[in-house]
Amino acid sequence: ETGVTQSPTHLIKTRGQQVTLRCSSQSGHNTVSWYQQALGQGPQFIFQYYREEENGRGNFPPRFSGLQFPNYSSELNVNALELDDSALYLCASSLAGEGGPWDTDTQYFGPGTRLTVL
Amino acid sequence: EDQVTQSPEALRLQEGESSSLNCSYTVSGLRGLFWYRQDPGKGPEFLFTLYSAGEEKEKERLKATLTKKESFLHITAPKPEDSATYLCAVQADDRGSTLGRLYFGRGTQLTVWP
Repeated sequence: ETGVTQSPTHLIKTRGQQVTLRCSSQSGHNTVSWYQQALGQGPQFIFQYYREEENGRGNFPPRFSGLQFPNYSSELNVNALELDDSALYLCASSLAGEGGPWDTDTQYFGPGTRLTVL
Repeated sequence: EDQVTQSPEALRLQEGESSSLNCSYTVSGLRGLFWYRQDPGKGPEFLFTLYSAGEEKEKERLKATLTKKESFLHITAPKPEDSATYLCAVQADDRGSTLGRLYFGRGTQLTVWP
């Protein structure tokens, strides 16, 4: 069984640039959630994808967007990068039951992508 | 608003010195409470899921318990390799929404010295 993988491991960008982060979900999982973790903080929910559609988002602006592909892998895109976007970006996959992502068990996390914005 | 508070923020233990970490939560209804371990610069590693008050789960030197308002992670005779940040997260029981998001606390940074 393959776990959650993310790429790249590290990334350095300058303010105003755009970035794309990638995530491959664990085998058999159909739901992907993205979280942002600033240094010394707990992860903050960005959004969740289920059946290739955004299922809901946290308190993040529209310049944070994403995609989910038919194989359940996912991308997180951030436009117009700001200094405060520097953080560890985490992808988590889970298996949603018949009730949808609400009806899901444990979320399993990937190793994260460390984004630094200069 | 749903909130998760963890205490203490940091804990230093000598090897073999047992202790407990606390996670208190306020949600309209609890779908599940999750404990994760996180090493520096890495993603959270799943430890336990608890669903209802009175439930307990164990794994090696760790034991998680759940009440209606809080959860405890008990560490018995810790070893230096148990040093990490321990995160608590909750999923609200909101059947009006299809969203399965987690609300995290800020974590407890545990250091176990020989």
